[in-house]
Amino acid sequence: DVKVTQSSRYLVKRTGEKVFLECVQDMDHENMFWYRQDPGLGLRLIYFSYDVKMKEKGDIPEGYSVSREKKERFSLILESASTNQTSMYLCASSSLPRDSDRFGIQYFGAGTRLSVL
Amino acid sequence: DQQVKQNSPSLSVQEGRISILNCDYTNSMFDYFLWYKKYPAEGPTFLISISSIKDKNEDGRFTVFLNKSAKHLSLHIVPSQPGDSAVYFCAATPGAGKSTFGDGTTLTVKP
Repeated sequence: DVKVTQSSRYLVKRTGEKVFLECVQDMDHENMFWYRQDPGLGLRLIYFSYDVKMKEKGDIPEGYSVSREKKERFSLILESASTNQTSMYLCASSSLPRDSDRFGIQYFGAGTRLSVL
Repeated sequence: DQQVKQNSPSLSVQEGRISILNCDYTNSMFDYFLWYKKYPAEGPTFLISISSIKDKNEDGRFTVFLNKSAKHLSLHIVPSQPGDSAVYFCAATPGAGKSTFGDGTTLTVKP
């Protein structure tokens, strides 16, 4: 089974702190994603990466950056945390669509609930 | 401009009855559609998908229907069980890479 592990389930940080959220996948997937989930707003894509050191902005990249130095690890960085970044953060991974049965399927971690005070 | 919309934030059905969750999309480039289920305090998990070359895909109690001309898809759960109570997300992708998700529908199945 694919496993996507997020380093923390719950985090509490202060406004202005630099925050690192870590995600590791064990299936050698090329694609990795960071989303935030807020009530009534669904899953909004922050950044995604399709290869090591490659990244693309998603729908809401402002205030965030990412790092992918190794294929299995994708980090989300809040440069200076603000209260409006209090949210559930979800990491996901997927393979390239070489297998039609698994096309487009993303595998998610359990999420990190971040509170910024 | 929301490209994938789930117009019903919530749905409540009786155990044993059919649950129908709906999803509309606007982007004609989407060619693969997926449904995910999410329990509280867990990440979403893949449920069922359908390619744009098909109009129906079935997996046990779950069936997804696609109407390309209407840009509409639906997920049918028959019979519904209390363990199906969760948030259901519809997602669409134009190919390799990222998907666009709807806002989710919270399904409650009452015993």
